[in-house]
Amino acid sequence: DQQVKQNSPSLSVQEGRISILNCDYTNSMFDYFLWYKKYPAEGPTFLISISSIKDKNEDGRFTVFLNKSAKHLSLHIVPSQPGDSAVYFCAASEVGNTPLVFGKGTRLSVIA
Amino acid sequence: DAGVTQSPTHLIKTRGQQVTLRCSPKSGHDTVSWYQQALGQGPQFIFQYYEEEERQRGNFPDRFSGHQFPNYSSELNVNALLLGDSALYLCASSFRQAANEKLFFGSGTQLSVL
Repeated sequence: DQQVKQNSPSLSVQEGRISILNCDYTNSMFDYFLWYKKYPAEGPTFLISISSIKDKNEDGRFTVFLNKSAKHLSLHIVPSQPGDSAVYFCAASEVGNTPLVFGKGTRLSVIA
Repeated sequence: DAGVTQSPTHLIKTRGQQVTLRCSPKSGHDTVSWYQQALGQGPQFIFQYYEEEERQRGNFPDRFSGHQFPNYSSELNVNALLLGDSALYLCASSFRQAANEKLFFGSGTQLSVL
């Protein structure tokens, strides 16, 4: 029973264009959402987060959008760069620093 | 400033054996969490150690156990290994049980069970 779903295993985007990675969740108790990036042979690294009281959070080229009614969030990367090629994990947690629940990840390939 | 370090990086075991994985947290961190990432899956929470005690546990059998030492380092032990235990085991550290973006991950130990 997956509480966090990333339905696209992979995504290919041209350099300079926008990358949009999607994530859906089923647990209505989730109130904090994060995106992690993972390169091969490295651990996941935190990218950007959003609290359930917001619908958008921006950090440089990365923006996360949250639609609570649809239980959906997305990560936008603009412009995409070859160095952004990695696996992106969506994660969520409930109130009170509960353990993160991760999706299966989406492999992003940015083609020069 | 050393980040989270894990050893060994790779390990091959056979079914029924026991394995111990090790983790040293990032400097200044006192909490260690362990995650299992099976092939094609996202990391799944195993348990968290803080003040040398298991504080939270995910849906994993008792074959998975751990320990935290006074210097905050931690071990993950898996007994009676099954083929399905083959995975990347990630250690993450934080301060005072903080989660979310304050979690820092190591590069993991790749365990193969034959």
